[in-house]
Amino acid sequence: AQSVTQLGSHVSVSEGALVLLRCNYSSSVPPYLFWYVQYPNQGLQLLLKYTSAATLVKGINGFEAEFKKSETSFHLTKPSAHMSDAAEYFCAVSRAGTASKLTFGTGTRLQVTL
Amino acid sequence: ETGVTQSPTHLIKTRGQQVTLRCSSQSGHNTVSWYQQALGQGPQFIFQYYREEENGRGNFPPRFSGLQFPNYSSELNVNALELDDSALYLCASSLDGALARTRKNTDTQYFGPGTRLTVL
Repeated sequence: AQSVTQLGSHVSVSEGALVLLRCNYSSSVPPYLFWYVQYPNQGLQLLLKYTSAATLVKGINGFEAEFKKSETSFHLTKPSAHMSDAAEYFCAVSRAGTASKLTFGTGTRLQVTL
Repeated sequence: ETGVTQSPTHLIKTRGQQVTLRCSSQSGHNTVSWYQQALGQGPQFIFQYYREEENGRGNFPPRFSGLQFPNYSSELNVNALELDDSALYLCASSLDGALARTRKNTDTQYFGPGTRLTVL
């Protein structure tokens, strides 16, 4: 069985500040991990993914995440927040090896203020 | 390369009715997964179709059913609609099977814009 916990349903940062969105996972098999972003009234867009290669993964729009097996974490970071980063962010886990079903966390809404 | 498309974008039904949602997969993909996203929640896996057969199902009752066609497009059917079925329904396509090992990004699901279903 697999599960994802996203700590903090709402995160607010100032423009230019560091963004840190937390994700912890549980998996009985080697996992693949994903971060998706959802803008209002839209579908999900892939930000980045970990698929057992490099543990530090770089994605689009300046985001990156580090897979830490010992901490079962896959936190999402961005050095400097932009207003356009305001959205809902979802962490997801799947079984390694295929594009099998994704198990999502409950999401973190990121607010960026001036 | 065309992305994942879904129709309709919005739909309003009444309790007890039936609904069909449609999804066209990204070109080159052979697998379609459906997810339900209730307001304020993360998406929940409904089921996946590969080569026109159901290939995994989440915790959803049998009144949620699906089809995949030879061109890999898919339908999600929901019978006897309930108020709690109101949600955003997301379709995702991916590439699985023997072809997957010869292509890039085969471990990733790409999502469509969703269909917003309201049940009154």
